[in-house]
Amino acid sequence: KQEVTQIPAALSVPEGENLVLNCSFTDSAIYNLQWFRQDPGKGLTSLLLIQSSQREQTSGRLNASLDKSSGRSTLYIAASQPGDSATYLCAVSSYGKLTFGQGTILTVHP
Amino acid sequence: GAGVSQSPSNKVTEKGKDVELRCDPISGHTALYWYRQSLGQGLEFLIYFQGNSAPDKSGLPSDRFSAERTGGSVSTLTIQRTQQEDSAVYLCASSIGQQETQYFGPGTRLLVL
Repeated sequence: KQEVTQIPAALSVPEGENLVLNCSFTDSAIYNLQWFRQDPGKGLTSLLLIQSSQREQTSGRLNASLDKSSGRSTLYIAASQPGDSATYLCAVSSYGKLTFGQGTILTVHP
Repeated sequence: GAGVSQSPSNKVTEKGKDVELRCDPISGHTALYWYRQSLGQGLEFLIYFQGNSAPDKSGLPSDRFSAERTGGSVSTLTIQRTQQEDSAVYLCASSIGQQETQYFGPGTRLLVL
């Protein structure tokens, strides 16, 4: 059974810092990995999708990497802003179904 | 364009009643998914549709839960004889294909009293 772990569970940083969120998974037989953000009381917003054959994806200040063989992914956020405050979730896909980590609660303070 | 929509946004029901939750996927998306988010369990997969068929129902927690999809579009998730442990946010997502980005709706918050 696939298990996804995210570290740290919570992170508080001052505005402007670069930061890294970590995600690990136990079964490397995945099709892709997605990173989402969730704002309080809201649904999930897709940030990046990395196919299993890819090593990284970039979107603006976000960069996600994938090392399938070691079962790890990182989400790098450059020059963090208060608007980045949210819960960040990683999820791995197998036959369509997503298995989620418990999330990292990020707070960026001015 | 329009995203995934879900209705109702909130539902309060009494234990033992049946409830129906609705999901309208993004137009043209053939794949549709239901997930549940609760405080103790995080986000859990419930069921996946490809077109009108459901090749993966492995996440449905009991036979009180069922779902259908008609016309390759709208889906309804039905919970019969609701229990307090069914209280959660029910999220629907859709994607163009099985291995593509999943786009989530705002969810239905279900409270069983």
